[in-house]
Amino acid sequence: AQKITQTQPGMFVQEKEAVTLDCTYDTSDPSYGLFWYKQPSSGEMIFLIYQGSYDQQNATEGRYSLNFQKARKSANLVISASQLGDSAMYFCAMREGPYNQGGKLIFGQGTELSVKP
Amino acid sequence: KAGVTQTPRYLIKTRGQQVTLSCSPISGHRSVSWYQQTPGQGLQFLFEYFSETQRNKGNFPGRFSGRQFSNSRSEMNVSTLELGDSALYLCASGDRAAGNTIYFGEGSWLTVV
Repeated sequence: AQKITQTQPGMFVQEKEAVTLDCTYDTSDPSYGLFWYKQPSSGEMIFLIYQGSYDQQNATEGRYSLNFQKARKSANLVISASQLGDSAMYFCAMREGPYNQGGKLIFGQGTELSVKP
Repeated sequence: KAGVTQTPRYLIKTRGQQVTLSCSPISGHRSVSWYQQTPGQGLQFLFEYFSETQRNKGNFPGRFSGRQFSNSRSEMNVSTLELGDSALYLCASGDRAAGNTIYFGEGSWLTVV
């Protein structure tokens, strides 16, 4: 069964507008972590934001925020004020269980974001 | 603070050969994980090492192996290379003591011909 689902293979957004990238997950473990990464064509996986399952507030990191809806098992990434440099693949990932049980991540298939000038 | 460093960045190997990839984690990070990324299969977990011990293992054949040294640097080895092993291999490091974040390196692009 797919544990991380990203339903948008590709998206376009106008420069300076906000965009939401969708991610749903499936786990029965009460302790888990959710990550978003950006991957430009160079291949490097760049960490954007992290949300723990017990965190009460939605995570924010600069222009990135994570809309965490635990009951719906969704962890959407919101990018405000898009920039041309935001064009890349974006991956949602999950770590099941507390960190001390390992750093294994399960990834979604990714969303390719294109920012138009 | 230096990030995760992977070497080599690009390499071309012939079927049947073996390859060794290296990963230096962020200073202080004890966990190192390896992932394979291909267009068809996406990102798949290979294995994780923590303090020189393999802590998790993905569903890959025994041709894929790894190890971690006392300084947390890690290597992964693929023996008897097949065309399907052509991929981007990504290394990640983290440590609970340093927070929940897991950081990746730039990856090693392997082409098998």
